[in-house]
Amino acid sequence: QTMVNQEPSFSVSPGGTVTLTCGLGSASVSTRHYPSWYQQAPGQAPRTLIYSTNSRSSGVPDRFSGSILGNKAALTITGAQADDDSDYYCLLYMGRGIYVFGSGTKVTVL
Amino acid sequence: QVQLVQSGAEVKKPGASVKLSCKASGFTFNNYFVHWVRQAPGQGLEWVGQINPRGDGTTYAQQFQGRVTMTRDTSTSTVYMELSSLTSEDMAVYYCARDSSVYAPNIWGQGTLVTVSS
Repeated sequence: QTMVNQEPSFSVSPGGTVTLTCGLGSASVSTRHYPSWYQQAPGQAPRTLIYSTNSRSSGVPDRFSGSILGNKAALTITGAQADDDSDYYCLLYMGRGIYVFGSGTKVTVL
Repeated sequence: QVQLVQSGAEVKKPGASVKLSCKASGFTFNNYFVHWVRQAPGQGLEWVGQINPRGDGTTYAQQFQGRVTMTRDTSTSTVYMELSSLTSEDMAVYYCARDSSVYAPNIWGQGTLVTVSS
């Protein structure tokens, strides 16, 4: 089974910037994996933030942005707010109708 | 209003099967893939599989091959996921989610808790 790696945790100050990454080990993540990003608060269903690498889902603030950084997909939160305190997951399309979620990153805003 | 409404919580014994439902409304059912995703207590999201509501096919994560079956009923705009040979490791909240047509789920159901206990 393919492993998709994310940092376990990040801490960011209110108003600060944090970049989360999503990697495939020695292989490269590219736009052909259509990386997407999800925010999940405790006890809630996931919320889609970013799809197709860098497109924001409807209603998502522009402080969330997606990109490819080096050989990984990345989610950047610019100007973090208290309600960004959540878990974040990436999802990669591996081809042939198969997807894999990343291991998730817990972001703490304090 | 675009939404997915899932069936209620289930309690099953080890070895049993569970069949969950996900009813769509507010959009053309046949136009979108539907994913199933699960989350065990305290764990991350895990992609289970997807179904094409037009009936063209399904794809499942390798770890569920042979144990999961996804079906759909176009007359009621409902998709189903059946998981067999349940163990305690299948205890999780199961979500259905509509794809956005660009390889990402973007409309999520509220989730269904499956408890496996003897």
